[in-house]
Amino acid sequence: DGGITQSPKYLFRKEGQNVTLSCEQNLNHDAMYWYRQDPGQGLRLIYYSQIVNDFQKGDIAEGYSVSREKKESFPLTVTSAQKNPTAFYLCASSTAAGRMWGNQPQHFGDGTRLSIL
Amino acid sequence: GIQVEQSPPDLILQEGANSTLRCNFSDSVNNLQWFHQNPWGQLINLFYIPSGTKQNGRLSATTVATERYSLLYISSSQTTDSGVYFCAVAPYNQGGKLIFGQGTELSVKP
Repeated sequence: DGGITQSPKYLFRKEGQNVTLSCEQNLNHDAMYWYRQDPGQGLRLIYYSQIVNDFQKGDIAEGYSVSREKKESFPLTVTSAQKNPTAFYLCASSTAAGRMWGNQPQHFGDGTRLSIL
Repeated sequence: GIQVEQSPPDLILQEGANSTLRCNFSDSVNNLQWFHQNPWGQLINLFYIPSGTKQNGRLSATTVATERYSLLYISSSQTTDSGVYFCAVAPYNQGGKLIFGQGTELSVKP
């Protein structure tokens, strides 16, 4: 089945440690996104990528890094510079039809819950 | 930046009741989506509705883009409808990013 796979479902980070969250999609979508959700809140955009080898910062990019070496994959690294990483992280993807790509619906994975030890 | 406000923030219904959720946004948008987040955190697409009206079973949605609001109707509610409903909009010329409202938390009692 086509979809978006995030792994792991649960992740624990020690102080000073970098961790990487995986996001893979087989929907043949060009655009991919990372969002963060804090308890009782809506989602906020961390990074997004319209095409391979290109990505842009979202609203809360500090302390995070991404790469987009393959169309199917958009991993997110939570670095030690992110002082409050405990949150629910959701990856999404959409088609990107040139200049109209912003009006395509986004589809979400099941998320990764990150906690600090 | 664009503001997205959802109302009510919380809603408790008896099974079988109908409800209307509202989403107001402060500027023109390229895209509007309604999502249901279940208790396990999964975010389920309900509607992609930048304008007009759509129906899917017991759910329907209407967006009036010129007046900058959208409504989600839930009829004959069931306990499985419980969860948080989010409205999200994509402003023009901002790379497709979605701006989410704070959500409406719905609890349907048997």
